[in-house]
Amino acid sequence: DAGVTQSPTHLIKTRGQHVTLRCSPISGHKSVSWYQQVLGQGPQFIFQYYEKEERGRGNFPDRFSARQFPNYSSELNVNALLLGDSALYLCASSPGTGNNSPLHFGNGTRLTVT
Amino acid sequence: QKEVEQNSGPLSVPEGAIASLNCTYSDRGSQSFFWYRQYSGKSPELIMFIYSNGDKEDGRFTAQLNKASQYVSLLIRDSQPSDSATYLCAVSPGGDSNYQLIWGAGTKLIIKP
Repeated sequence: DAGVTQSPTHLIKTRGQHVTLRCSPISGHKSVSWYQQVLGQGPQFIFQYYEKEERGRGNFPDRFSARQFPNYSSELNVNALLLGDSALYLCASSPGTGNNSPLHFGNGTRLTVT
Repeated sequence: QKEVEQNSGPLSVPEGAIASLNCTYSDRGSQSFFWYRQYSGKSPELIMFIYSNGDKEDGRFTAQLNKASQYVSLLIRDSQPSDSATYLCAVSPGGDSNYQLIWGAGTKLIIKP
């Protein structure tokens, strides 16, 4: 079975631009979470979606938005990019939500903002 | 502010020895605890998870949880050079925040041949 797939792998954008990151979960997984990881730090929670509904949102500005589609794939959108948005963006899927559903990560999208 | 703390390392261990990685967390209501391994430039890979006090073993890996002390650890027996990576501890908070994981910054482990 295919794991979590993310696209693109790498992306270079300029300050003020917009970016869309895409994620396809493991087959059968209905929950998708997005995390941001800055070099040298642990991942920071951005969003979780389950059955196309937003289940939770981390402490990120409104420039960050996401959605989940009927096939459970997901997009993360970031508007008005700042230099500080440069990071590894991780998508993870799990069968359900809550404490007992371990996250399985994709390979990530490396975003560089110049 | 719910926090997860790890020693950043690097922790250097001879090949074949036991590597011991530690993690403390601040939220006493935390329910689930996860260890991930992350190679440089790659995404985190799930190693183990533990929910109940005590030990849980999986091959060369043993996770230990002590909720009273708010402490979780990972032991790696017969360490191999391929175990060299950053190990991330992640905690699922209790209550209404159980949709997210709170992560430590990771411990860098180096296995010396």
